[in-house]
Amino acid sequence: GQQVMQIPQYQHVQEGEDFTTYCNSSTTLSNIQWYKQRPGGHPVFLIQLVKSGEVKKQKRLTFQFGEAKKNSSLHITATQTTDVGTYFCAGPLSGNNRKLIWGLGTSLAVNP
Amino acid sequence: DSGVTQTPKHLITATGQRVTLRCSPRSGDLSVYWYQQSLDQGLQFLIQYYNGEERAKGNILERFSAQQFPDLHSELNLSSLELGDSALYFCASSVATGTGGRNEKLFFGSGTQLSVL
Repeated sequence: GQQVMQIPQYQHVQEGEDFTTYCNSSTTLSNIQWYKQRPGGHPVFLIQLVKSGEVKKQKRLTFQFGEAKKNSSLHITATQTTDVGTYFCAGPLSGNNRKLIWGLGTSLAVNP
Repeated sequence: DSGVTQTPKHLITATGQRVTLRCSPRSGDLSVYWYQQSLDQGLQFLIQYYNGEERAKGNILERFSAQQFPDLHSELNLSSLELGDSALYFCASSVATGTGGRNEKLFFGSGTQLSVL
């Protein structure tokens, strides 16, 4: 069945280093969403990408949607301890826009 | 604060029991989603309701059921509980059903931590 894979599963960085997580779908996605879940918290919506090749920035976060709309990435420049958490991508099941398929997330730890 | 309210925050029960989790969506949101989160399986979509009607079904067990009431709050009923049902259960809400090639962003509640002993 349709899958959304995220890599890496875990990433440990020193504060100030950059971080990237990748999201790969087995099928073309009409759109993709990114969420962040802090430890002990709930997922919080970050962004949605819709267009092929789209790039969006939110301060130190840069989101990309691949040209083929099968992959996406989230890049954080100069990580801070506030970036700690798990980052999830989610895309709609083919033919059913109502169901989102979620990646397993990338857990980011930042050493101060 | 997302505006989505879930109760209770914690629930401890025994195998074979039945529990009800409650969710109040954000004001104005018509869609309610239920998710199960466990360490090994990530976020698993269970079911979605839109304005009182079931709209999408995910990996929801037959022992589980849900409904959305006229005031738009929703309840998730879990019965014949097993140890493996221990997980964090999230409710999320959104404005619409997610049609037209775009999914509405989800607002998550703080979850109900269910422990089955």
